[in-house]
Amino acid sequence: GAVVSQHPSRVICKSGTSVKIECRSLDFQATTMFWYRQFPKQSLMLMATSNEGSKATYEQGVEKDKFLINHASLTLSTLTVTSAHPEDSSFYICSADDRGRGDTQYFGPGTRLTVL
Amino acid sequence: AQSVTQPDIHITVSEGASLELRCNYSYGATPYLFWYVQSPGQGLQLLLKYFSGDTLVQGIKGFEAEFKRSQSSFNLRKPSVHWSDAAEYFCAGSGGNNRKLIWGLGTSLAVNP
Repeated sequence: GAVVSQHPSRVICKSGTSVKIECRSLDFQATTMFWYRQFPKQSLMLMATSNEGSKATYEQGVEKDKFLINHASLTLSTLTVTSAHPEDSSFYICSADDRGRGDTQYFGPGTRLTVL
Repeated sequence: AQSVTQPDIHITVSEGASLELRCNYSYGATPYLFWYVQSPGQGLQLLLKYFSGDTLVQGIKGFEAEFKRSQSSFNLRKPSVHWSDAAEYFCAGSGGNNRKLIWGLGTSLAVNP
């Protein structure tokens, strides 16, 4: 139980294009999902908190117009990296908060984004 | 300010040896505490968590952790390490209503055959 999927697992795109990453909670409903970015050999950096049916809350320094987050249902949140540039290349990980299991975040497998 | 500290950046142990990974926290009240493991290029898997009650918590893969309020610690232990335990281990805490996790910097575990 408490499985979170992410799609795609890796994506390569050209500079200036937009990329959408999906995060799904497969066997539970997640009122809250989180999006993280992880640089090589570093800890996770929280980008934003996404609540179903409302606007995402972005962390300081994260551009909301560049990283568009939509949480349209209790099982799906999407992160769109708009007009991607090489510096956006990173490992993006989502998590879903399962309040039914005691406020625990369960993580997706991550998406490796490479912008050429 | 709230914080989670993992003092050891990298640890190497021999297969079959015991393991202890350190985690210290600084919170106004007792936080929820978690240990996650991340294999290369993968997402994070929850090993165990502490909310309240019994201070010795059992997790998956033979791991356990002990909450010690007096030392503000939540160290992860395993009596006998397997080669497949080589990975990055993260300690995290949350407190308050927003449920955001505050992360340690991680400890990279290498296992010698």
